[in-house]
Amino acid sequence: DAKTTQPPSMDCAEGRAANLPCNHSTISGNEYVYWYRQIHSQGPQYIIHGLKNNETNEMASLIITEDRKSSTLILPHATLRDTAVYYCIVRVPQFYNQGGKLIFGQGTELSVKP
Amino acid sequence: NAGVMQNPRHLVRRRGQEARLRCSPMKGHSHVYWYRQLPEEGLKFMVYLQKENIIDESGMPKERFSAEFPKEGPSILRIQQVVRGDSAAYFCASSLNQGVLKGGTDTQYFGPGTRLTVL
Repeated sequence: DAKTTQPPSMDCAEGRAANLPCNHSTISGNEYVYWYRQIHSQGPQYIIHGLKNNETNEMASLIITEDRKSSTLILPHATLRDTAVYYCIVRVPQFYNQGGKLIFGQGTELSVKP
Repeated sequence: NAGVMQNPRHLVRRRGQEARLRCSPMKGHSHVYWYRQLPEEGLKFMVYLQKENIIDESGMPKERFSAEFPKEGPSILRIQQVVRGDSAAYFCASSLNQGVLKGGTDTQYFGPGTRLTVL
């Protein structure tokens, strides 16, 4: 699985958009970009994933550059409850007998401030 | 639809005892993963199981640790003769058994974790 690079920490004002960048310059053609977050010491929470098209769900938007070497997770209106460590992970899809583990880096610690 | 369930949520053991951690996957999920998070460290993959099969155990310590996912019942992570260094949060995740759905991707959903403390 390709490595990712994320800033170690970011601040965001409550109510503003939080834009979390991720570099994955060695991503291969069949690898997807996944985002998870971990609030305090809870279990990681799935946020969103994509291959090459931009994706949006009720939690966030994922913008992937055309060359797929980087992406940005956007939380449109950050709240205090969005304070967490955000992980960007790239991996091949899981197929039978071909693994599927997630490799977590250090992530970005997002602090949403009032 | 209930999420991934883990029990116990907190477990205290003395050195040398055995620890058994249970994970019930989401309904319909037949893939289970175990991860460990040591204090002040990141999440590390341990093992990936399907029903009655271990698919990838590349992250499991060579000794004292074992995992199973029987045909019926929860997945079990077993740690024999625990030591203080085993103190950590252990997370279980599950995913669907899917071939090529939504482009062949899968999503792992995590449980709340079991916090093991070894005295």
